[in-house]
Amino acid sequence: KAGVTQTPRYLIKTRGQQVTLSCSPISGHRSVSWYQQTPGQGLQFLFEYFSETQRNKGNFPGRFSGRQFSNSRSEMNVSTLELGDSALYLCASSQGTGRGEAFFGQGTRLTVV
Amino acid sequence: TQLLEQSPQFLSIQEGENLTVYCNSSSVFSSLQWYRQEPGEGPVLLVTVVTGGEVKKLKRLTFQFGDARKDSSLHITAAQPGDTGLYLCAGEPPRNFGNEKLTFGTGTRLTIIP
Repeated sequence: KAGVTQTPRYLIKTRGQQVTLSCSPISGHRSVSWYQQTPGQGLQFLFEYFSETQRNKGNFPGRFSGRQFSNSRSEMNVSTLELGDSALYLCASSQGTGRGEAFFGQGTRLTVV
Repeated sequence: TQLLEQSPQFLSIQEGENLTVYCNSSSVFSSLQWYRQEPGEGPVLLVTVVTGGEVKKLKRLTFQFGDARKDSSLHITAAQPGDTGLYLCAGEPPRNFGNEKLTFGTGTRLTIIP
């Protein structure tokens, strides 16, 4: 069974640009959650999608958005990038919304310069 | 809002020593998960504890869920350099809690010195 796949693994962007990150969950999993991880703030919840609907949202500005497709693949978008957006972005898939074990991808390391 | 506090935040010990890390909350969880994350990688699930008072062992790692299902501990016996990493606990909310999402703890960064 293939694991969670995140692309790209590494990304360098300049301030003001926008970026789209992709996550393919484990086959059969309908829930995808996104997290931002920085050394100072730990693992911060961004949002969760289940069956193409956003079920939960963390405390991030509107520049952070996401969506989920009918095949459960998910994308997150960050517009007008700021230096502080530099982080490891992780997605996790699970079978149910907010329940069960979360399986993480390797993450996308975003650096904003 | 459910919060999970982990302690200690940082721990650096010599190979062969024993250690315990804690995950505490004032909220009740239906289950508690433990993850280990290595640098540049995503967290990997180690174990899930479900029943209050439950103890699970994974080789040299022993996980315990508190009787009231509000806290958990991870004990490592004879620590090895391969145990180095960030340990995260995550709580699953009770059914019908309302805001159903995993709550992650603040993390314990463990370094085992050879």
